[in-house]
Amino acid sequence: GEDVEQSLFLSVREGDSSVINCTYTDSSSTYLYWYKQEPGAGLQLLTYIFSNMDMKQDQRLTVLLNKKDKHLSLRIADTQTGDSAIYFCAESLGGGADGLTFGKGTHLIIQP
Amino acid sequence: DAGITQSPRHKVTETGTPVTLRCHQTENHRYMYWYRQDPGHGLRLIHYSYGVKDTDKGEVSDGYSVSRSKTEDFLLTLESATSSQTSVYFCAISESGGYETQYFGPGTRLLVL
Repeated sequence: GEDVEQSLFLSVREGDSSVINCTYTDSSSTYLYWYKQEPGAGLQLLTYIFSNMDMKQDQRLTVLLNKKDKHLSLRIADTQTGDSAIYFCAESLGGGADGLTFGKGTHLIIQP
Repeated sequence: DAGITQSPRHKVTETGTPVTLRCHQTENHRYMYWYRQDPGHGLRLIHYSYGVKDTDKGEVSDGYSVSRSKTEDFLLTLESATSSQTSVYFCAISESGGYETQYFGPGTRLLVL
């Protein structure tokens, strides 16, 4: 079956790097996503990675994928107060239309 | 931002009443999805559509039905609302499903008393 696990909370100091981790169980996942949700808002796509890649970098965001361990991480460099949000990891099996499987989300808390 | 709107944005209703939520897109995307978001559960797929009049069930479809008579509109109906259906409902769209990224609407907060 499909399951995506994330820790519920992460607290970091402003200016430090944040690393949000995710594990998934379905080895046939083809795309893995990170979404951001600010309070009272919908989900905003941050980035995604195809399963044949190990790393993807986009400005302050770095995604690392370890397929052997089924582990995905999102690193946010120079964390700012505007990064405070819930971050969701999601997987898509690809090749079909049957939606994404989401983790429960990680609340990123920024300390001044 | 993808052109996705949801209506209503907030609704309070009573147990046993029917409720219909609407998702409208201006992107002409083929695939549309309904999710619900609950504390401790993340987002869970309710139903999805892969074309006009083509729909299928997701993980938590019991108590919900959907319809898609036009490309741009995807309706979610709670035939007889229950308190367990109090949630935030999100619509998403995708151009071709599968590999394609999903874009989300702003959500509808539903409270069933």
